[in-house]
Amino acid sequence: GAVVSQHPSRVICKSGTSVKIECRSLDFQATTMFWYRQFPKQSLMLMATSNEGSKATYEQGVEKDKFLINHASLTLSTLTVTSAHPEDSSFYICSASPSPGQSRFGGMNTEAFFGQGTRLTVV
Amino acid sequence: GESVGLHLPTLSVQEGDNSIINCAYSNSASDYFIWYKQESGKGPQFIIDIRSNMDKRQGQRVTVLLNKTVKHLSLQIAATQPGDSAVYFCAENQYNFNKFYFGSGTKLNVKP
Repeated sequence: GAVVSQHPSRVICKSGTSVKIECRSLDFQATTMFWYRQFPKQSLMLMATSNEGSKATYEQGVEKDKFLINHASLTLSTLTVTSAHPEDSSFYICSASPSPGQSRFGGMNTEAFFGQGTRLTVV
Repeated sequence: GESVGLHLPTLSVQEGDNSIINCAYSNSASDYFIWYKQESGKGPQFIIDIRSNMDKRQGQRVTVLLNKTVKHLSLQIAATQPGDSAVYFCAENQYNFNKFYFGSGTKLNVKP
């Protein structure tokens, strides 16, 4: 399958600081990427849609000033958790789908591929 | 967002048996579904997908069934192996939109 790389895999930061998480599609272009958050033993909660060349769109209840998203190129999206608090500690996961016409990985639609996740701990 | 839920939070099966994991979804406009497997501390891994114009699709040892009438999905794993132990999620979206909403997950425990 396609490869989506997420970095870092783990990060510990102090309260009040900002943390940047990168999501890269390594072997395909993605005009759209998605950011999810997952608490222990819970499902993935969609936070926002990252759109290359335009503003991200956020799900209801997600603070856009808290979670800054930048989609600078067709292969890179970043999520910055600003002024981090302990309650921001979570597992953050990105996904990316091949742009239309690039789906070649066996899925029937433009299937989403996920990064390995970033474990954020705010102390 | 759409509501996607699961009937069973945990499932324990004996190695070699078949497993069936169920999922209910609420958005009748959803027309594309994926089953993902997630191992501890890792991101979700694609298993199999199905479009709404199908009611069954088979992969290697896995089969997905879709019943649009009752908005229900199932994942069948044949000859379950210890390596199948993980949390399984169904996810739904609308065609040409790559935004997926996930169900609550089922943890599959395979006993040797």
